[in-house]
Amino acid sequence: AQKVTQAQTEISVVEKEDVTLDCVYETRDTTYYLFWYKQPPSGELVFLIRRNSFDEQNEISGRYSWNFQKSTSSFNFTITASQVVDSAVYFCALSEVFEGNTPLVFGKGTRLSVIA
Amino acid sequence: NAGVTQTPKFQVLKTGQSMTLQCAQDMNHEYMSWYRQDPGMGLRLIHYSVGAGITDQGEVPNGYNVSRSTTEDFPLRLLSAAPSQTSVYFCASSYKRGGRSSYEQYFGPGTRLTVT
Repeated sequence: AQKVTQAQTEISVVEKEDVTLDCVYETRDTTYYLFWYKQPPSGELVFLIRRNSFDEQNEISGRYSWNFQKSTSSFNFTITASQVVDSAVYFCALSEVFEGNTPLVFGKGTRLSVIA
Repeated sequence: NAGVTQTPKFQVLKTGQSMTLQCAQDMNHEYMSWYRQDPGMGLRLIHYSVGAGITDQGEVPNGYNVSRSTTEDFPLRLLSAAPSQTSVYFCASSYKRGGRSSYEQYFGPGTRLTVT
């Protein structure tokens, strides 16, 4: 069965600090996709990244970076030099690759508060 | 494109009432899903559809019905609302690319439902 664990329920940092959000997943499949979504206080879900299980290269996008390690089943998300606008709930999600549908299994989310 | 639209944005129901949450997408996506978000629980899959005329249950289907008569629309029906159905409901869609699912879900803005 699929499962996504985000052990950090809430994190609070001071602006300009770096912060890492942890995500650990479980799946029996060898082919799958991992995602991160951001949910700002306005409530919408904002897609941040998709990573397939065959690509373990780390990715950087501006102040955001992602570290995917299949050996530890982790897909961690780091924000460098955090800003107040980064305050949101962040969800990690998993989708197994199969024909027919792509429902997501979400973690419970990590609420990040960045204090000025 | 309007993307994924949901109506209403907010709704208050009394226990036992019925209603339909509307979801529509104009991207010709094959796949559509309904999730509910509860505090501290992340998003959980209610029902999903892989195309017009085909639906299936997700993790938490009890108390909800769906149908998919067109590619564009995927309404979620609450037959007899209960306080346990107080939640934020998100509709999502995704598409096939090259015979494989896209694995990126496009989310609507959500419907906040309160059942008293």
